[in-house]
Amino acid sequence: RKEVEQDPGPFNVPEGATVAFNCTYSNSASQSFFWYRQDCRKEPKLLMSVYSSGNEDGRFTAQLNRASQYISLLIRDSKLSDSATYLCVVYNFNKFYFGSGTKLNVKP
Amino acid sequence: DAGVTQSPTHLIKTRGQHVTLRCSPISGHKSVSWYQQVLGQGPQFIFQYYEKEERGRGNFPDRFSARQFPNYSSELNVNALLLGDSALYLCASSLGEKLFFGSGTQLSVL
Repeated sequence: RKEVEQDPGPFNVPEGATVAFNCTYSNSASQSFFWYRQDCRKEPKLLMSVYSSGNEDGRFTAQLNRASQYISLLIRDSKLSDSATYLCVVYNFNKFYFGSGTKLNVKP
Repeated sequence: DAGVTQSPTHLIKTRGQHVTLRCSPISGHKSVSWYQQVLGQGPQFIFQYYEKEERGRGNFPDRFSARQFPNYSSELNVNALLLGDSALYLCASSLGEKLFFGSGTQLSVL
């Protein structure tokens, strides 16, 4: 079983739409959680950390459910520039585990 | 300030050869980690180093090795290259648990 699982998509949405991505992780002892964004042929970049209480950064909201071992990312009012692959990342015991990524295409 | 720098950016090797990839972390970052990313997949953890000590190792064969130098730069070595080693190799330096990636080395094994 993979450490981190994501729906690969692609999610094709119009500008202005709200879109949600989900991710599950297998190790209940995992310590920290993140969403990274990766543009085509570029390196991943940190989008936001994910906290148990949920956290928001502008149009982006991340949630963590430790009981269900589930992480989510909500993007409101999608922009063309949000088109990218979103990687769910789990940190435990000095190792970072990446999901395969969910591809988002925002169309005009 | 310079970000994470990796060299070379592209590399072509043949099966059985050896390769060395290099990484310089962001100034002040003492931890460096290495990842392999195959097209269509997320990065797979290979190694993490902190203060020249190996802190974590992913599920990769012994053909993969790494080290960190006193200036915190790092090298990833891969021996006896296989076709399946063709991938983007990413280095990240970290402050706490946040990773900052270099632009990677694209390795092609023919």
